[in-house]
Amino acid sequence: KAGVTQTPRYLIKTRGQQVTLSCSPISGHRSVSWYQQTPGQGLQFLFEYFSETQRNKGNFPGRFSGRQFSNSRSEMNVSTLELGDSALYLCASSLGQTGGRGYTFGSGTRLTVV
Amino acid sequence: DQQVKQNSPSLSVQEGRISILNCDYTNSMFDYFLWYKKYPAEGPTFLISISSIKDKNEDGRFTVFLNKSAKHLSLHIVPSQPGDSAVYFCAASVNAGNMLTFGGGTRLMVKP
Repeated sequence: KAGVTQTPRYLIKTRGQQVTLSCSPISGHRSVSWYQQTPGQGLQFLFEYFSETQRNKGNFPGRFSGRQFSNSRSEMNVSTLELGDSALYLCASSLGQTGGRGYTFGSGTRLTVV
Repeated sequence: DQQVKQNSPSLSVQEGRISILNCDYTNSMFDYFLWYKKYPAEGPTFLISISSIKDKNEDGRFTVFLNKSAKHLSLHIVPSQPGDSAVYFCAASVNAGNMLTFGGGTRLMVKP
């Protein structure tokens, strides 16, 4: 079966711009979670969507937002980009609440803000 | 405030020997713990997990130990193989929810 697909793989943006990242989950998976990975910080939870509803939210400013469509595909948006937003953004899909055991991660979108 | 910490950024081990990766946590509410492995240019993949009602879980060459009183968990890989070379992340959650708190990762290098 197809894995989790994240597009684009790489992105370069300028400070102050906004960006939209996309995540297509495994077919049948209704939960999509987003994480930000920066050097030395590990992965930090951004938010989780389940059946088009945000179920959990991490400790990130309001510039970070997301949504989920009826086909479970999810997008995250970052507005007014800052240099510190440069990171690898990973999404993970699962059937439901699996405690992370059932997560399948995508390969990520590498965002560079200049 | 890092609630999950991996204090060793890197570890080098000889092939065939044991690899021990450590992880400490501070949040007493965590009740489910996981280890993920990550190769470059790929997303993390689930390795093994343990619930707080257990103190040990084994899966083939991988064993996770949980010491709740010390708020410490460790991953043992025996025997280590060159293909195990990757970055290992420990993670924790509350009520086995999908909101995971990850450590900073430990890069394991297994030398042939």
